[in-house]
Amino acid sequence: SQQGEEDPQALSIQEGENATMNCSYKTSINNLQWYRQNSGRGLVHLILIRSNEREKHSGRLRVTLDTSKKSSSLLITASRAADTASYFCATDRQGFQKLVFGTGTRLLVSP
Amino acid sequence: DTGVSQDPRHKITKRGQNVTFRCDPISEHNRLYWYRQTLGQGPEFLTYFQNEAQLEKSRLLSDRFSAERPKGSFSTLEIQRTEQGDSAMYLCASSPYRVTKLAGVHEQYFGPGTRLTVT
Repeated sequence: SQQGEEDPQALSIQEGENATMNCSYKTSINNLQWYRQNSGRGLVHLILIRSNEREKHSGRLRVTLDTSKKSSSLLITASRAADTASYFCATDRQGFQKLVFGTGTRLLVSP
Repeated sequence: DTGVSQDPRHKITKRGQNVTFRCDPISEHNRLYWYRQTLGQGPEFLTYFQNEAQLEKSRLLSDRFSAERPKGSFSTLEIQRTEQGDSAMYLCASSPYRVTKLAGVHEQYFGPGTRLTVT
């Protein structure tokens, strides 16, 4: 079963706009990761944030983590058509060595 | 290409047949994971290996499923007596587990997946 849920389920924006996706999860975690999946292909790791971190940046990506609310957000700035994909958050619970993925946000960036 | 590879990419089989999938991880990665993904959902964990040892299996992995990683390199996932509900994308991922200050699961590198269709 999925541990997390992403919100919104789908997001449609224009190139150049920012895209924000949210992830909520249920249990205490070690780390939270974000992955991207292009249509019909494997997942690509984007960024990992530890439970003791609050914010992390990587290029055009900004991730925040609020462990008190059990939530995270992924911000993609200055979006491009190539950012069109599904985005998943994944968590690993304390004491477990596996990732539990959310349901994903489908992002469509139109030229 | 030194990424994770999976074979075959697509498999169509009739209900009741056995199928086997192969995953070749990134060579220096000692952890290997199998996931199943159905349409519109995120991947669901099936099992993982550290070197040749299978350390955890999900309850999703019924007795019709078996996975091996005999020499700690490539892995196979076999499904016996396939059912239509087994139709899904089967994803393999590898990870460079290291004993570091970073607790928990490290970043995973995914293969392209094997899409199984059971008719």
